[in-house]
Amino acid sequence: DGGITQSPKYLFRKEGQNVTLSCEQNLNHDAMYWYRQDPGQGLRLIYYSQIVNDFQKGDIAEGYSVSREKKESFPLTVTSAQKNPTAFYLCASSMRPNEQFFGPGTRLTVL
Amino acid sequence: AQSVTQPDIHITVSEGASLELRCNYSYGATPYLFWYVQSPGQGLQLLLKYFSGDTLVQGIKGFEAEFKRSQSSFNLRKPSVHWSDAAEYFCAVVGTSGTYKYIFGTGTRLKVLA
Repeated sequence: DGGITQSPKYLFRKEGQNVTLSCEQNLNHDAMYWYRQDPGQGLRLIYYSQIVNDFQKGDIAEGYSVSREKKESFPLTVTSAQKNPTAFYLCASSMRPNEQFFGPGTRLTVL
Repeated sequence: AQSVTQPDIHITVSEGASLELRCNYSYGATPYLFWYVQSPGQGLQLLLKYFSGDTLVQGIKGFEAEFKRSQSSFNLRKPSVHWSDAAEYFCAVVGTSGTYKYIFGTGTRLKVLA
C-alpha cells in the first residue's frame, strides 16, 4: 500500500543533542513537508521541498535542518539550537496542488 | 495576509445532533480548500476538498462542506454526529498555482456527548 511512514513514533532527546526524524513516502509525490504541532496552535510549517535537492524554509525553520537527496525521503534534524523542541512532528507529501497526505507523526520529548 | 480562521476552538454536541464547523479564509484569489480530521496522537486524514464546480462537496464519513465565495467560507457539516466523530478538525487552503505552501487553521476540537 502507498503511504507515508515516520519513525520513530516516540523520541526522547537530552538537551544539547541533535536528533533526526525520518519520513519516507512511496506515493511518488514531488513535494514533501514538515510541520510542528503544539496544543492550540494548529500546524506550523518548518520546511518544505518541491523537488529533489531543493527545499525552502517555512515559518519556523530556526533550529531545524532538512535534506532531500531522494524523492521518497525527507529527514528532519532537530538541532541543539532549537530551544523548545518538545512537540508532535508531522510529515506530509503532495502532488501540488492536490491534497496533502500525512504520516502518523513523531512525538519528540526533551528530557 | 493569507490566513485561515476557525473561530471555534472547542465545540460540544450530543450524539445524533447536527454539526457545523466554521472556516473562513483570506486569500488573494480563490484557493483550493480542504478539511482534515485528526484523532489524538495520529496524523491528519482528508475529509473532503473543493477545487471548482459544485459548491457543495461530499466527503467521507458522511461529512459535507459548502463553499461560499461571497463570504470566503468553507463550512463543514454533518447531519447526525456519531461518538466516533470526536476529534480535531482542520481547514486548509493552498493557492491554485505557483505555491506549495498550504495554510492551516488552528483547528476545532469536537467533543460528542453520549
